[in-house]
Amino acid sequence: DTGVSQDPRHKITKRGQNVTFRCDPISEHNRLYWYRQTLGQGPEFLTYFQNEAQLEKSRLLSDRFSAERPKGSFSTLEIQRTEQGDSAMYLCASSVVSWWPEAFFGQGTRLTVV
Amino acid sequence: KNEVEQSPQNLTAQEGEFITINCSYSVGISALHWLQQHPGGGIVSLFMLSSGKKKHGRLIATINIQEKHSSLHITASHPRDSAVYICAVGGGGGADGLTFGKGTHLIIQP
Repeated sequence: DTGVSQDPRHKITKRGQNVTFRCDPISEHNRLYWYRQTLGQGPEFLTYFQNEAQLEKSRLLSDRFSAERPKGSFSTLEIQRTEQGDSAMYLCASSVVSWWPEAFFGQGTRLTVV
Repeated sequence: KNEVEQSPQNLTAQEGEFITINCSYSVGISALHWLQQHPGGGIVSLFMLSSGKKKHGRLIATINIQEKHSSLHITASHPRDSAVYICAVGGGGGADGLTFGKGTHLIIQP
């Protein structure tokens, strides 16, 4: 296990379709974070998990966005009824302990909604 | 909410030049990150600082907590250093508290 893995790397979808992204964190990391990055901007925080518990979801962009981490290992981020404004890079990161802000980032999933 | 400002936004330099990228933030923090993002999108953590200075190879990062300012330096720059460099600050526990700058787009020409 060499790092945080995200799948797919690229996704093109038609407006109105649902998409799901997967993130596999570093195996001993109990915290997992999702961020969104639009063109020319830094990443913005969406949600995070401590093991399987989702501790913050108020910053998810709308109720079309949802995330799960059912067994405290991998996580999925789903966007329902995609809109063109959802086109962005979706980044996942993980960290080993809750109180230390160092995080290891994945390669990201680039979503294009056409 | 912390405001993170990076400068310059864009920087083009010749191979071998000494590069400095600056980051200022508005609210006291517990840690500051310098991240590197290549065109493929993946982010690599370069440094995490809470005080002083760190060095890794040709990269040097410094932070002045009193002035709420950090710099990332690249010595003997090389075209492979071309990337976006992002500053991120954390005020509390966990990376959920990170606030990111918009990044500095660096191009090193041969």
